[in-house]
Amino acid sequence: QVQLQESGPRLVKPSETLSLTCTVSGDSIKYNYWAWIRQSPGRGLEWLGHMSDSGGTYFSPSLRSRVSISLDTSRNHVSLQLTSLTAADTAVYFCARYVVRLGGGFDYWGKGALVTVSS
Amino acid sequence: QSVLTQPPSASGTPGQTVTISCSGGSSNIGSGSVNWYRQFSGAAPKLLIYSADQRPSGVPDRISGSTSGTSASLAIRDLQSEDEADYYCASWDASLFGWVFGGGTTLTVL
Repeated sequence: QVQLQESGPRLVKPSETLSLTCTVSGDSIKYNYWAWIRQSPGRGLEWLGHMSDSGGTYFSPSLRSRVSISLDTSRNHVSLQLTSLTAADTAVYFCARYVVRLGGGFDYWGKGALVTVSS
Repeated sequence: QSVLTQPPSASGTPGQTVTISCSGGSSNIGSGSVNWYRQFSGAAPKLLIYSADQRPSGVPDRISGSTSGTSASLAIRDLQSEDEADYYCASWDASLFGWVFGGGTTLTVL
């Protein structure tokens, strides 16, 4: 059974950088793509980006200048960095497995990490 | 303002069929890409339909999807109380070069 678990700080100050880690078990991150999606009350679900170890990186055009995703295959981790935070970045952040053969569906999700941006 | 437009709410009684719509454009739904997700309160979304009308393993056949032009629909037949949840459509937008989601529809079983 594939499981994903987000971890990282839950309170971050404005202008700082958010770093979250997604630990994947039951599947190697060397295969498939891995994505980050966030959800806030005012903006609903928002795709941040996805990437695979073999290349192919895609980011939201509205966040491209601030977002990065990296893979650590030795630890089976997927990481997210989001810079220059504002209150609008307050959201629940999910990591998910992105499967091309499922029409680009996100078939396994973590439980999500609520991140609050506040001083 | 979401790129994909869904009604904010829908409702039905047990046993009925409910349909949720998702309206987009030629660069997203019109290009053939649409997935549907169900989300219970406090939980992560779950993939219900991919590629417009395909069900992942484990999703019952009373749940179905369809498209027509730049719109998509999710139908839930034989509505049950456990179907109460939020439903989201999603599509790859070739103009934005990214995934876009609808604003979500809250389904209430009366």
